[in-house]
Amino acid sequence: RKEVEQDPGPFNVPEGATVAFNCTYSNSASQSFFWYRQDCRKEPKLLMSVYSSGNEDGRFTAQLNRASQYISLLIRDSKLSDSATYLCVVTPFRENTDKLIFGTGTRLQVFP
Amino acid sequence: NAGVTQTPKFQVLKTGQSMTLQCAQDMNHEYMSWYRQDPGMGLRLIHYSVGAGITDQGEVPNGYNVSRSTTEDFPLRLLSAAPSQTSVYFCASSSQGQGLSPLHFGNGTRLTVT
Repeated sequence: RKEVEQDPGPFNVPEGATVAFNCTYSNSASQSFFWYRQDCRKEPKLLMSVYSSGNEDGRFTAQLNRASQYISLLIRDSKLSDSATYLCVVTPFRENTDKLIFGTGTRLQVFP
Repeated sequence: NAGVTQTPKFQVLKTGQSMTLQCAQDMNHEYMSWYRQDPGMGLRLIHYSVGAGITDQGEVPNGYNVSRSTTEDFPLRLLSAAPSQTSVYFCASSSQGQGLSPLHFGNGTRLTVT
């Protein structure tokens, strides 16, 4: 089983739709969780960190479920500019926070 | 503010050639790292550094060397290029350990080994 797994998609949604992605992780000792966004042929950029209590940034909501070992990203009122690949990122070990594990990404395509 | 600068953007090598991918950051970040990104594999950590003079191996270090003589620069050397090293390479930096602060990535280097 991969340490971090994501549905590769693509998720094709119309503008204004709500879409959600999940990401599962295998190591229960994982400590930090992030969502990064990567546009086609560009570098990844941090979208948001994921906190135990859940957090929201405008149209984006991230949640952590430690019992089931997954994190989620909800995008409301999708915009064309949200089209990108969304990478789930996890720090796998409690002892060493210098190594991040990246998922392979979920591709989102928003159409008019 | 330039952030993280990688050069070159594109490179084609023949099997057996060596080269250095350059990475520089102007944010005074202590932590720097190199990743490679391959289709279906996600980003994988090659080497990382927690400060000048300190480097360590990541998940896929074989065939690559790094050094960190200054805080700003973290070059990645391919010793003898192989077709399996065809990939997109990203350099990244962060102000703290990678789990504690965001990673800032360079624009990437697309390397093809023939």
